[in-house]
This record gives sequence, structure tokens and C-alpha cells, in this order.
Amino acid sequence: DAKTTQPPSMDCAEGRAANLPCNHSTISGNEYVYWYRQIHSQGPQYIIHGLKNNETNEMASLIITEDRKSSTLILPHATLRDTAVYYCIIVNYGQNFVFGPGTRLSVLP
Amino acid sequence: GAGVSQSPSNKVTEKGKDVELRCDPISGHTALYWYRQSLGQGLEFLIYFQGNSAPDKSGLPSDRFSAERTGGSVSTLTIQRTQQEDSAVYLCASSLLGGRDTQYFGPGTRLTVL
Repeated sequence: DAKTTQPPSMDCAEGRAANLPCNHSTISGNEYVYWYRQIHSQGPQYIIHGLKNNETNEMASLIITEDRKSSTLILPHATLRDTAVYYCIIVNYGQNFVFGPGTRLSVLP
Repeated sequence: GAGVSQSPSNKVTEKGKDVELRCDPISGHTALYWYRQSLGQGLEFLIYFQGNSAPDKSGLPSDRFSAERTGGSVSTLTIQRTQQEDSAVYLCASSLLGGRDTQYFGPGTRLTVL
């Protein structure tokens, strides 16, 4: 039970912002939202994580709604190298990371 | 610094043979995880180590699968009497303290059982 719902696939034009949604309506107060991505034939790569506040790093921004029931990963200027499967994962202390099917993002030239 | 490394990168074996897959975690990371990913599928959790202990073996699919970790560092995943359905990419990850800590993944070992 991945506890998250993501669209199976999305397209984004190169240079545009990619906004990847994730629903996690059963999230509890001490569970974090993690995002990973997996480029073809590689191991998953950590992107960003957050609890309540919005977060930004050199790769992406994470926007978490006030009720924490959904979040959006934003890649501000998508490139062809961002084509990958993106996983949204809800994690509590002591639990294992459960990877669902994710969203397959295709960045188009 | 060096990331998680795994060896071999590819392994082809015959049905019924035993295989050993190796994972070298990031130095100083106490937690180590094994996952497998079948073609076109998501990641399936196998086992988790904290130090040399495995508090969670719940994901091991059968008693043909075992894993150990020595010296709080290197881990080996052993599959005995391999079957064709064992064909998958086996991924290893490590994190500093376990729990919610960020997991860093290796490149994986692609196992093909003929």
C-alpha cells in the first residue's frame, strides 16, 4: 500500500515548468513527503522531501497543501534529461519506503 | 564522496544455480536496504539492515532468498536455486540512520535467469 496516488504519465515541453501532483489524503501528522525519480536503467535518485512547509533545492520545489493531503513537485525548467519516472512516497519513522508506480514524465523537445 | 556501489552490474545464470549480489553502502551509513524491480514494475522492498541486524525481512519472497551484512558495511544478497521469475534488477540503498533518513541508491544488478 503506497498510500499515494499519482497520474501514470505526463508530458511537458522542454524549458517549461513540470508540475507533478501527488495525492496522499491519509497522511498522518508525522509522515514526510519524499520525491525520488528513476531515469531509465538507473537506480532511483533522491530529489526533495518535506513535512509541512514548502521546500526548494537546486533540483526542484515541493509545494505541500495546508491540509497536507496533496503535494506538487515542480521542476522549474524541464530539460530532456528530466525524462524519468517520478515517485511520491509517504514515510513515517520506522517504516520502509514504499514505491508505487509513480508518474512517467516525458519532456518533449 | 563515493556513492552506493553494487556488483556485478549484470549477472546471467542458469535456472537452479545460486547467485550472490554485493552492495557497498556509503561509508558511515548505518542502514542498508535491498529492493528488486522487475521489468516495467515499481520497486519491491526485500530487506532492511540496521548495522548488522535485519529487523525487517518481511519482503523476502521465499526461503531461497537470504542476506547478510558484516562489519556494518558490505552486504550480500544470496539467491539459492534461482528461478526464471527471479530475473529482475536488484537495487541496494543506504541511509545515514535509517527511519525517515534519505535513502541513496546504487546502480543495481541486473539478474537474468535462463
